[in-house]
Amino acid sequence: KAGVTQTPRYLIKTRGQQVTLSCSPISGHRSVSWYQQTPGQGLQFLFEYFSETQRNKGNFPGRFSGRQFSNSRSEMNVSTLELGDSALYLCASSLSVQDGEQYFGPGTRLTVT
Amino acid sequence: AQSVTQLGSHVSVSEGALVLLRCNYSSSVPPYLFWYVQYPNQGLQLLLKYTSAATLVKGINGFEAEFKKSETSFHLTKPSAHMSDAAEYFCAVSAFSGGYNKLIFGAGTRLAVHP
Repeated sequence: KAGVTQTPRYLIKTRGQQVTLSCSPISGHRSVSWYQQTPGQGLQFLFEYFSETQRNKGNFPGRFSGRQFSNSRSEMNVSTLELGDSALYLCASSLSVQDGEQYFGPGTRLTVT
Repeated sequence: AQSVTQLGSHVSVSEGALVLLRCNYSSSVPPYLFWYVQYPNQGLQLLLKYTSAATLVKGINGFEAEFKKSETSFHLTKPSAHMSDAAEYFCAVSAFSGGYNKLIFGAGTRLAVHP
């Protein structure tokens, strides 16, 4: 069974631009969560989607948003990029919201210049 | 609110020696606890999880962890380190918040293994 895939793997954007990252969960998994990883703040939870509905949200500004499609694929969007948004963005999928066992993709490395 | 503290940002052991990575958690409700490993330029891989069943949890690659409620700890151990164990390890906690998929991670411990 294929793992979690994320595209693109690397991205360079300019401050003020917006970006969309994509995540395809493991087949059959309906929950998708997003995390931001930076050297300074570590791993931080962004949000979780299940059945196209956001179930949980972390403490990030409204510039960070996401959505989930009917096939469980998910996208996250960051608008008006700031230098501090440079990070590894990780997507994780899980069978259900009760499972607690998440499988992570390789991440998208976003660099904002 | 939940939180995780990993004691020691860097741990160095010799090949064949015991690996002990420390994790203490804080949670107002019974938590789920996890250990993940991250190799360079990769995502996180689940090593093991505790979900209120047996307190001693065995995971992949010879790792295990023991849940101690009285000490609010969930330390990760491996009897004999291999060179391939060199990586960064993260302890995480989740407590029910409409589900268990909101993980709160510790700062991570980088494990170095020397020949």
